[in-house]
Order: sequence, then structure tokens, then C-alpha cells
Amino acid sequence: GAVVSQHPSWVICKSGTSVKIECRSLDFQATTMFWYRQFPKQSLMLMATSNEGSKATYEQGVEKDKFLINHASLTLSTLTVTSAHPEDSSFYICSALGHEGTEAFFGQGTRLTVV
Amino acid sequence: LAKTTQPISMDSYEGQEVNITCSHNNIATNDYITWYQQFPSQGPRFIIQGYKTKVTNEVASLFIPADRKSSTLSLPRVSLSDTAVYYCLVGDTGRRALTFGSGTRLQVQP
Repeated sequence: GAVVSQHPSWVICKSGTSVKIECRSLDFQATTMFWYRQFPKQSLMLMATSNEGSKATYEQGVEKDKFLINHASLTLSTLTVTSAHPEDSSFYICSALGHEGTEAFFGQGTRLTVV
Repeated sequence: LAKTTQPISMDSYEGQEVNITCSHNNIATNDYITWYQQFPSQGPRFIIQGYKTKVTNEVASLFIPADRKSSTLSLPRVSLSDTAVYYCLVGDTGRRALTFGSGTRLQVQP
């Protein structure tokens, strides 16, 4: 099946700094990617929809100025957590739709810890 | 988007068949039913997808009744490595994000 890769797998950063997470579709082009956040013992919560060449669409309650999304190419979307705080510590997961649009492929996730 | 309801948790033993049922009463005509598996600190992994009747692949079977208001994921002869959270998702083939429910935490005992 199609492969979606995230980098880094884990990152520790200091409060107030920014962290960039990359999401790549390795063997297919993805015009649409999605970013999720998952807290311990909870389900995945959709943060935003990333569209190649246009602005991302954010879910209610997600600050667009804090979680910057860039989808500059058909194989790469990035999520930048700006001015990170400890409460931003979470597991961030991206996904991309396959060619036929019926199956979503997920990255392995990025564990962010803000200290 | 159709809301799904699954049991919060299930327990089983190695070698048993496990059936996890998901309710999706307001499923739309264009919606597919997809099941994902998630291990701790990993992204969800696609298991199986169906629209109606029965679908089988190398790891699971998916049973969908005629009214499509529910579906059952069947895992034959589970092993310890099947311990994970299983999510039932319902969505159409358009380019919309999948909405995750609470999932079912399956614990397989020796």
C-alpha cells in the first residue's frame, strides 16, 4: 500500500520555541493531507485539512496562527507548532488520501514533548 | 458525517475469534465503512473496508447487514500481537477527513 512518512518520530523542545513536523507521501501524490492530534488514552482529533497550493482549513478551536500548515508540493505537508507550551505536548499524526480517495494512509506519528 | 458507536473495550484469549461491532445508524448512501488498527505511539493502520455484505482479506472479515446501520469486524484466531485499539470509521469517497470515534481497546491474553 501507499506509504506516508513523518519526520521526526519524536521531538523534545523548550517552551516558547517552534517545532516543524514533516509529512511526506512517498509513492503517490497527495493533493489533500490531514493533521490529527492524539492525547494519551484518547482518540485522534482532526486539527486541519491541508490542501496543496492553498490555505489549510482548520477545525473549530484550533488556532491557525499557532499551528501553521504548509502544503507546498504534492508530496509534502508541514505542521509547525509555534511558541510551543507544555500543553501542546501530544502525538501528532498526518494522513493522506490514496489515488481513489477511499482509503486514508497514515504516517507513523510524531511525539512532541514541550518542556 | 455519520457517528459511530463501538464498545470501549474487549478482552479475549489467544486463538479465539474476536468480533467487534460498530453502530452507524445515520450512515449515508455514499459512505464506506473502514476499520483501522492502532498500536501505542503509532499511526493507525488500515485493516479492511467495505460497502455492503461481506468483505474478507488476509487479516480480517467485515460483515455489513443489508441496512448498513452496523458492521462487524471479525478477527480470526487472535494472537497477543493483535492487542490494540480498533477504530470503525464511516465516510464517503470524497476528499473529506475521517472522523475517529472512541475506538475499541482489545486486550488479548495468553
